Amino acid sequence: DGGITQSPKYLFRKEGQNVTLSCEQNLNHDAMYWYRQDPGQGLRLIYYSQIVNDFQKGDIAEGYSVSREKKESFPLTVTSAQKNPTAFYLCASSAQGAGETQYFGPGTRLLVL
Amino acid sequence: GQNIDQPTEMTATEGAIVQINCTYQTSGFNGLFWYQQHAGEAPTFLSYNVLDGLEEKGRFSSFLSRSKGYSYLLLKELQMKDSASYLCAASRGGATNKLIFGTGTLLAVQP
Repeated sequence: DGGITQSPKYLFRKEGQNVTLSCEQNLNHDAMYWYRQDPGQGLRLIYYSQIVNDFQKGDIAEGYSVSREKKESFPLTVTSAQKNPTAFYLCASSAQGAGETQYFGPGTRLLVL
Repeated sequence: GQNIDQPTEMTATEGAIVQINCTYQTSGFNGLFWYQQHAGEAPTFLSYNVLDGLEEKGRFSSFLSRSKGYSYLLLKELQMKDSASYLCAASRGGATNKLIFGTGTLLAVQP
């Protein structure tokens, strides 16, 4: 089956800790994205990558980092610099180019202890 | 600036028709997406409009007016399983595929 997987489904972070969220796709998509979803707000773009070994900051990149070493994988690290990390994190992928449909993974809910 | 507006909540009756409106303002607009999202789950793609007019897909239709910065999603023969949040997203233009999302419209279908 082709699709996008995210793990874990739930993640707990202690104060001052970095955590990494996994995102893998086997759709052969060049572009991948990370969004954050908070209650009452639309999805906000954290980082995106149009091709392997390249990525760009989105609208709310502060306190986050990413890497894109493989086409299939786009992990997101939530660093201790992110002061309000509690949210639902969604990864998406698409073919490259404007107007291509983005397909979403099941999401990771991050909670701060 | 870039902005998308859609109603926060709507209620409709099973078997009825409901229209969810979306107005947008973006630079370099390419097209308008609609996604469905059930609580705690991933958004799933419903439709994409590039040209003005109505696109019909079974019980769901989507309309776009580029000159008015306006779109709507029309759901017919509502079913209980249609209770979900409906997200409007505008393509921001340029060579990238960045989207700007509305806050979503939570639709409650009642018996």
